[in-house]
Amino acid sequence: EVQLVQSGGGLVQPGGSLRLSCAASGFMLTTDWMAWVRQAPGKGLEWVANINKDGSRKYYVDSVKGRFTISKDNAKNVLYLQMNSLRAEDTALYYCGRYLGAFSLDYWGQGTLVSVSS
Amino acid sequence: QSALTQPASVSGSPGQSITISCTGTSSDIGGYMYVSWYQQHPGKAPKLMIFEVDNRPSGVSNRFSGSRSGNTASLTISDLQAEDEADYYCSSFRSGDTVIFGGGTTLTVL
Repeated sequence: EVQLVQSGGGLVQPGGSLRLSCAASGFMLTTDWMAWVRQAPGKGLEWVANINKDGSRKYYVDSVKGRFTISKDNAKNVLYLQMNSLRAEDTALYYCGRYLGAFSLDYWGQGTLVSVSS
Repeated sequence: QSALTQPASVSGSPGQSITISCTGTSSDIGGYMYVSWYQQHPGKAPKLMIFEVDNRPSGVSNRFSGSRSGNTASLTISDLQAEDEADYYCSSFRSGDTVIFGGGTTLTVL
């Protein structure tokens, strides 16, 4: 059974850093593209980042470029999102997701809350 | 990177059909067959309902169907049921190996 279990959220001050983790089971991260998607309180979904199967290609929404880094440890089968220089507008529930071959997210993590506030 | 355009809300009575539209550009919806639809109930993670414009994942009711015409995709829910009340989001692959979501539509079953 495919599962994505997230950890690492919390409260951080503006300018601070956090690393989110997404532990995959039931499949290997080397076989699928993965993504991070966020949802600000009471708002819609926003795509944040993609990473390809071997981790060589990474893509980001403009608002996080240069501040966030998506990566994965294939040996541990864990996806990460390193978030630096955090801003109040980064406050959201962050989801990791696995792509079906068609850039559709067929499995999602449970979500982890990131709050940026002084 | 502006969101795809969806109506903020739609409503329908049980047994009726409703359609939610999702408008983009030739760089996303109009250029690729990678349109998806997600259902999200309050406090839950999104659930994939439609992929590649008009395909249903295993386990999704055939009351849900998708289509596309030009730069606009649509989700139709037939024989509306109470449990269909939720937020619905479209998404599309966009050139540059990125993804764009719609702003979301709240479906109310009257």
